[in-house]
Amino acid sequence: QKEVEQDPGPLSVPEGAIVSLNCTYSNSAFQYFMWYRQYSRKGPELLMYTYSSGNKEDGRFTAQVDKSSKYISLFIRDSQPSDSATYLCAMSAPYSGAGSYQLTFGKGTKLSVIP
Amino acid sequence: DSGVTQTPKHLITATGQRVTLRCSPRSGDLSVYWYQQSLDQGLQFLIQYYNGEERAKGNILERFSAQQFPDLHSELNLSSLELGDSALYFCASSVVDQPEAFFGQGTRLTVV
Repeated sequence: QKEVEQDPGPLSVPEGAIVSLNCTYSNSAFQYFMWYRQYSRKGPELLMYTYSSGNKEDGRFTAQVDKSSKYISLFIRDSQPSDSATYLCAMSAPYSGAGSYQLTFGKGTKLSVIP
Repeated sequence: DSGVTQTPKHLITATGQRVTLRCSPRSGDLSVYWYQQSLDQGLQFLIQYYNGEERAKGNILERFSAQQFPDLHSELNLSSLELGDSALYFCASSVVDQPEAFFGQGTRLTVV
């Protein structure tokens, strides 16, 4: 079993739809959860960061973490064609050495928002 | 623009060769991480440097090595290249004691 599982999609939705993306994980030591957006041939761009369980909202984006279920989600409201990209979940456990937060990534979900 | 600069953007080289990828972190960031992204494996952590010292190692091959210099830029050296090393190589940087990592635009390596 991979440490982080993410449905690769592709996911195609009409403009204005609510998009739900999610990841499951197996390592209970993960405490830091991130969502990255990656456009084709570009570097991953940090969208949302959440520590431990709970919700976080930023504009049209909402991140949820449920540590009891080992499940994280990203919701995109009022989706736009510019949201078309690959979305990667990433998570990290703290290490004994200060300042070390290597990320374990899901494989990414490719999203297309159709005008 | 994340503030992380990687050069070169593209690199084409032959099997058996050696290449060096360069990364300049965001101003003030002491940690530099290297990741490899391939179609089948996704993004994989290779190695981390913090203020000039190796801090963590992931699935990095023995043919690969890295270092971080006093001005905090980092280089990833890949030697005895094989076709399977063709991938996108990303550098990311972060502030000390913060898990959020900011990625550069990557170097696309093609081994022929």
